[in-house]
Amino acid sequence: ETGVTQSPTHLIKTRGQQVTLRCSSQSGHNTVSWYQQALGQGPQFIFQYYREEENGRGNFPPRFSGLQFPNYSSELNVNALELDDSALYLCASSLDRTSNSPLHFGNGTRLTVT
Amino acid sequence: AQSVSQHNHHVILSEAASLELGCNYSYGGTVNLFWYVQYPGQHLQLLLKYFSGDPLVKGIKGFEAEFIKSKFSFNLRKPSVQWSDTAEYFCAVIANNAGNMLTFGGGTRLMVKP
Repeated sequence: ETGVTQSPTHLIKTRGQQVTLRCSSQSGHNTVSWYQQALGQGPQFIFQYYREEENGRGNFPPRFSGLQFPNYSSELNVNALELDDSALYLCASSLDRTSNSPLHFGNGTRLTVT
Repeated sequence: AQSVSQHNHHVILSEAASLELGCNYSYGGTVNLFWYVQYPGQHLQLLLKYFSGDPLVKGIKGFEAEFIKSKFSFNLRKPSVQWSDTAEYFCAVIANNAGNMLTFGGGTRLMVKP
């Protein structure tokens, strides 16, 4: 089975720009969650998508938005980038959104905002 | 909202030493508890989890964790560490009504000296 793949692996953007990060979920998984991991910190939950609908959201501003497609792949969009958005962005897929459905993480996209 | 505290940010041990990493959470209701590991250059992987039943749970690679409800703790232990255990360890919690949306602690970076 293919795992969770994220693209690109690294990205450098300028403050004020917009960025789109992509995630292909593991085969058979219908739920995708996104996390932000700043340097030296644990991952923070951004939002989760289940069957193309946003299922939950963490404490992130509206300029963080997402999409999930019919094939359950997903995008994370960040508008008006700020320096503090520099982080590793992790995508995780799961069979469903229940608590006993383990998350399978990708390797992440390293975003640097200058 | 729930939060997770990992008190040890960096731990350095020699091979064969015993390991205990602390994790405390703040949530008064039912929780599901997890430990994830991130080896250098690899994605986050599930080490072990607690949902209910025996509060002493065993995971992969000889790790175990004990849930102590009265102390809101879920400490990770290993009797004898190996150089290959060098990694970052994250404790995470799901509150009863949060599906599989994880709240992570800040992580503990473990270095095992050969």
